Amino acid sequence: GDSVTQMEGPVTLSEEAFLTINCTYTATGYPSLFWYVQYPGEGLQLLLKATKADDKGSNKGFEATYRKETTSFHLEKGSVQVSDSAVYFCALRLGGTSYGKLTFGQGTILTVHP
Amino acid sequence: SAVISQKPSRDICQRGTSLTIQCQVDSQVTMMFWYRQQPGQSLTLIATANQGSEATYESGFVIDKFPISRPNLTFSTLTVSNMSPEDSSIYLCSVEGGLSLNYGYTFGSGTRLTVV
Repeated sequence: GDSVTQMEGPVTLSEEAFLTINCTYTATGYPSLFWYVQYPGEGLQLLLKATKADDKGSNKGFEATYRKETTSFHLEKGSVQVSDSAVYFCALRLGGTSYGKLTFGQGTILTVHP
Repeated sequence: SAVISQKPSRDICQRGTSLTIQCQVDSQVTMMFWYRQQPGQSLTLIATANQGSEATYESGFVIDKFPISRPNLTFSTLTVSNMSPEDSSIYLCSVEGGLSLNYGYTFGSGTRLTVV
């Protein structure tokens, strides 16, 4: 079945460090891909998305490129801040009979220290 | 993008009772989705609710346990019935943001349920 696998966490970094959170997927067809962020005590917010191969999503300094050949959508940021501490979820969306539903990865906890 | 008002934000309930969670959207949407996030876990889709038809449940979820109403295009409720401590989770509703996914999916702020 369709699935999303994220790198194991938690991830702990110092401020201004480079961040990569790996995400790979298994899907029939051509999914749209998303990164969501959940700050402590808050709901989910869309961070960025890509709807077709080679698209790059970007927002708030975060980037991810839809790589069809490696079925990946890794999240990167060049210089993290303490305020980036949150849980990050990779997700995919299919069309067809699964129209609209999101399948989430297990989430990666990021903690950034000053 | 759509704005969702979800309530209650949290509740502590006795086992054996039921809780109804409401989601109100500020625009008309075709599909609404209900998710569960168990402690320290990812989100799992419970069901998809379309206006005017029965909700479609995912494997492992049944209507008797999680009845859903969708009376119009801006509102839905999820009831957690005959609760047990294993139902302690965050429950979230979600809608598609519109414009062919330009806005992704919007989530409510969630209902944090504790069953004692």
